[in-house]
Amino acid sequence: DQQVKQNSPSLSVQEGRISILNCDYTNSMFDYFLWYKKYPAEGPTFLISISSIKDKNEDGRFTVFLNKSAKHLSLHIVPSQPGDSAVYFCASTGTASKLTFGTGTRLQVTL
Amino acid sequence: DAGVIQSPRHEVTEMGQEVTLRCKPISGHNSLFWYRQTMMRGLELLIYFNNNVPIDDSGMPEDRFSAKMPNASFSTLKIQPSEPRDSAVYFCASSLLQGARNEQFFGPGTRLTVL
Repeated sequence: DQQVKQNSPSLSVQEGRISILNCDYTNSMFDYFLWYKKYPAEGPTFLISISSIKDKNEDGRFTVFLNKSAKHLSLHIVPSQPGDSAVYFCASTGTASKLTFGTGTRLQVTL
Repeated sequence: DAGVIQSPRHEVTEMGQEVTLRCKPISGHNSLFWYRQTMMRGLELLIYFNNNVPIDDSGMPEDRFSAKMPNASFSTLKIQPSEPRDSAVYFCASSLLQGARNEQFFGPGTRLTVL
């Protein structure tokens, strides 16, 4: 039972355009959400997070939006750069420790 | 800081053999996590420790898998006997729990191939 779902396994975006990665969750107890970025042959690295008391968090080119009623979050990257090409995982937690990850979306930013 | 260290980076073994994966968390972190990454299921949490004590091992697939954390700077994940379906990338991560924030720092992973 996948409690965190990333329904798009891959996404291709042109350099300079906006990349939008989506994530849905089913567990209403989740109250903290994170995005991780993963390059090949490396471990995931933390990118940005949002608490359930907010609906938006911005950090430079990266913005995460949370829609609690729809149990949906999204990551916007503007403008997209070739170095953003990676696999992006969303993760959720309802406890202090345990993260539940989605299956990932592979983003390719083309020139 | 060197970050989370995992060894070996690659492991190729034959079915039935014992496999031991090793992890050194970031110094000062109080939680350690073992994950397995596969194409079908993404990143699955296998087990995590808090202050060296196993807290939740519900993700451990079966009795062939075991994990230990004898001290704050070392953990092992053992598979005995290994099977081809265990082939995956295994990640170790550590974090310092501070309220609701739960940023986990991942190691580079161990790519396990069981023939």
